[in-house]
Amino acid sequence: SQQGEEDPQALSIQEGENATMNCSYKTSINNLQWYRQNSGRGLVHLILIRSNEREKHSGRLRVTLDTSKKSSSLLITASRAADTASYFCATDEGGSYIPTFGRGTSLIVHP
Amino acid sequence: DVKVTQSSRYLVKRTGEKVFLECVQDMDHENMFWYRQDPGLGLRLIYFSYDVKMKEKGDIPEGYSVSREKKERFSLILESASTNQTSMYLCASSLMPEDYGYTFGSGTRLTVV
Repeated sequence: SQQGEEDPQALSIQEGENATMNCSYKTSINNLQWYRQNSGRGLVHLILIRSNEREKHSGRLRVTLDTSKKSSSLLITASRAADTASYFCATDEGGSYIPTFGRGTSLIVHP
Repeated sequence: DVKVTQSSRYLVKRTGEKVFLECVQDMDHENMFWYRQDPGLGLRLIYFSYDVKMKEKGDIPEGYSVSREKKERFSLILESASTNQTSMYLCASSLMPEDYGYTFGSGTRLTVV
């Protein structure tokens, strides 16, 4: 089944810097979602972006979607130590209502 | 806010035991899901249910079964636990996952010895 792939696998930055993570996928999608997972916990839904949208914002989060390149990016601005977590994208194959997850990007924000 | 509650955060079981992982959601969602998460493999779908008493196999159903007798409760059963089932198990529910996303529980870290 289709799986979004996040890039990079790991990212280490200083507090206050911006963090950018990317997700690429292979076939057409209806929606793409981003989730955060703190160590040893469940995932938390961050943003859903539809295939007819190009950009979406939520607080310090900015998600873009480029369907021609089959890729999405998650930007976290002015990062904080509390943003340290793994970030996953989830994509749906056209017609399927079950999103599948990538392997995630591990973000460490140093205070 | 929707809450998804998994009955145990940590569980240690012996090989061959029958193991029940319980999940309860409080928002009247039709759809419930069980995933397992392993390092380097991401989240893999075990089973899902779109209605009471309905169940569908996911990508890795072997060695597992599920039960959904009531809308709010979705149980994952390991018929005879094996060491390769040591993992983090995540339950999720959703109104429509492709449109609204999932709400996940906190996870159960199962160790089979």
